[in-house]
Amino acid sequence: QSVLTQPPSVSAAPGQKVTISCSESSSNIGNNYISWYQQLPGTAPKLLIYDNNKRPSGIPDRFSGSKSGTSATLGITGLQTGDEADYYCGTWDSSLSAGVFGGGTKLTVL
Amino acid sequence: EVQLVDSGGGLVKPGGSLRLSCAASGFTFIIYSMTWVRQAPGKGLEWVSSISSSSTYIYYADSVKGRFTISRDNAKNSLYLQMNSLRAEDTAVYYCVRDVWGPETSWGQGTLVTVSS
Repeated sequence: QSVLTQPPSVSAAPGQKVTISCSESSSNIGNNYISWYQQLPGTAPKLLIYDNNKRPSGIPDRFSGSKSGTSATLGITGLQTGDEADYYCGTWDSSLSAGVFGGGTKLTVL
Repeated sequence: EVQLVDSGGGLVKPGGSLRLSCAASGFTFIIYSMTWVRQAPGKGLEWVSSISSSSTYIYYADSVKGRFTISRDNAKNSLYLQMNSLRAEDTAVYYCVRDVWGPETSWGQGTLVTVSS
């Protein structure tokens, strides 16, 4: 079973940079593309990053994604109070023929 | 404008059934794979099931396999999730999602399913 592990919470000050990690328990992540979602309270998730490091149209370049080995990372620069949200990584695990999401990370902008 | 409208949620007793619907508009429904994702109260996202554009490929999470059935009617631009043998742990907001992994992702507003006696 593929499992994506995220830290439960991260925090940083306005204007600073934060990174959120997403680690897979098996070696399958090497073959999978990671997506990242932002979920503001009471709303549906919003796609920030797909295919590890690509941004959909309309997503500012303050948001970036990367992947190395079995770990992916979401980076957010120039933090704003409006960035306070839950962030999820996710992927289609082709070896399992199943989708999987990380447990989510709550970002607090102090 | 792309729209996905989820409906069909409600209160159901354990062991009961419910059928969720998702009405799509504003895009060519027939060319997209579709997915149901759920979120239990206060919890994270859980992938439930996906169906390819022509219904050739269908996948389920182990937690719902054998109890839930995903289907679509491309003539009606609609996605469905038939949920049988419901359990308390199926209580969640269920979202209909287009192209869940991107880049043309779009989510419905969600419909709440509560399984309780």
